[in-house]
Amino acid sequence: RKEVEQDPGPFNVPEGATVAFNCTYSNSASQSFFWYRQDCRKEPKLLMSVYSSGNEDGRFTAQLNRASQYISLLIRDSKLSDSATYLCVTDSGAGSYQLTFGKGTKLSVIP
Amino acid sequence: GAVVSQHPSWVICKSGTSVKIECRSLDFQATTMFWYRQFPKQSLMLMATSNEGSKATYEQGVEKDKFLINHASLTLSTLTVTSAHPEDSSFYICSASWAYTQYFGPGTRLTVL
Repeated sequence: RKEVEQDPGPFNVPEGATVAFNCTYSNSASQSFFWYRQDCRKEPKLLMSVYSSGNEDGRFTAQLNRASQYISLLIRDSKLSDSATYLCVTDSGAGSYQLTFGKGTKLSVIP
Repeated sequence: GAVVSQHPSWVICKSGTSVKIECRSLDFQATTMFWYRQFPKQSLMLMATSNEGSKATYEQGVEKDKFLINHASLTLSTLTVTSAHPEDSSFYICSASWAYTQYFGPGTRLTVL
């Protein structure tokens, strides 16, 4: 079974804090990796893709370790608006568009 | 970015009735769309892959005769939940791929009484 595992949280952090989420995946054939954000009762929205070299988008930094099959997301200077569930997502490999989702990590940023 | 719409956004129906959910790609053509289901506090689970002009591919454990998928055009896929029961109550989300990214519809919340 191809799975993506995440710490469900919740992570309750004060505004301005730095928070890190981790994720492991079991499908060694996966080629594409993403972090999605899902607000309560809404659809997932792409936050960022994750590249082997690591990539940054403003306050968000994503890292990928293919050898360990491990993905991380770092959020710096947390804002109230960052409160959401963060989903770790991989593809099914072999050029497939199918995605496998983790259960998500819930973040609550507290004033 | 690409836009995917779903209709209806929520529906309440009686047990035993059928419910049709539409998924449309508004500004691009999608030969492949995906249907997911999400129960409370659970991850999105892929139900089926909808292919334009051909039969859908269902994931293991998903009854193809209960969840009918039709992808008659490059911008529309429909999911019909036949003879719905309370255990089918869930959040149904479709997605379509464009430029190597999957875009999700806003979801349909189905409640079966």
